[in-house]
Amino acid sequence: DVKVTQSSRYLVKRTGEKVFLECVQDMDHENMFWYRQDPGLGLRLIYFSYDVKMKEKGDIPEGYSVSREKKERFSLILESASTNQTSMYLCASSWGTSEQYFGPGTRLTVT
Amino acid sequence: AQTVTQSQPEMSVQEAETVTLSCTYDTSESDYYLFWYKQPPSRQMILVIRQEAYKQQNATENRFSVNFQKAAKSFSLKISDSQLGDAAMYFCAYLNSGYSTLTFGKGTMLLVSP
Repeated sequence: DVKVTQSSRYLVKRTGEKVFLECVQDMDHENMFWYRQDPGLGLRLIYFSYDVKMKEKGDIPEGYSVSREKKERFSLILESASTNQTSMYLCASSWGTSEQYFGPGTRLTVT
Repeated sequence: AQTVTQSQPEMSVQEAETVTLSCTYDTSESDYYLFWYKQPPSRQMILVIRQEAYKQQNATENRFSVNFQKAAKSFSLKISDSQLGDAAMYFCAYLNSGYSTLTFGKGTMLLVSP
């Protein structure tokens, strides 16, 4: 079975802090994704990567950056966290144009 | 750009009954994939069912089946013999062939009562 793990289930940070969210997949998937999920808005794509060191902006990249130094790991970075970035963050991975497999999510609260 | 619409924010069903969740999408493409994902209260999103647009036959996975109407751009999910464990948020998603990014609907919360 595909396994996608995220470094934290819950995280509380202060405004202005730099925040790192880590995602690891164990199935050699080429594609990895970061979403944020908010009530009533569904899932919105922040960034995705289709190869090591490659990244593409999604629908809402502002305030975020990403890093993919190894195929299995995809990091989401909040350079200076703000309260409007309080949300659930979901990581996913996929092979080619197949279905995506999701991690358990990280509930981030910025105070 | 593709859009996915789930018009039912919330649905309720009793155990053992059947419920249908609606999804419509907008695309000018002819080759694509459609998915239903389930997100239980524990938050792990899992794939329920997948449909390839080129296939006329509706996909089925045990108690879950879809009604795929390509011309109408409709992709509904039917859950038969509902169980308490089916209670979750359900997301409809679209994937354009040749691309890797999904477009999601806003979700339908399914409540299951004993």
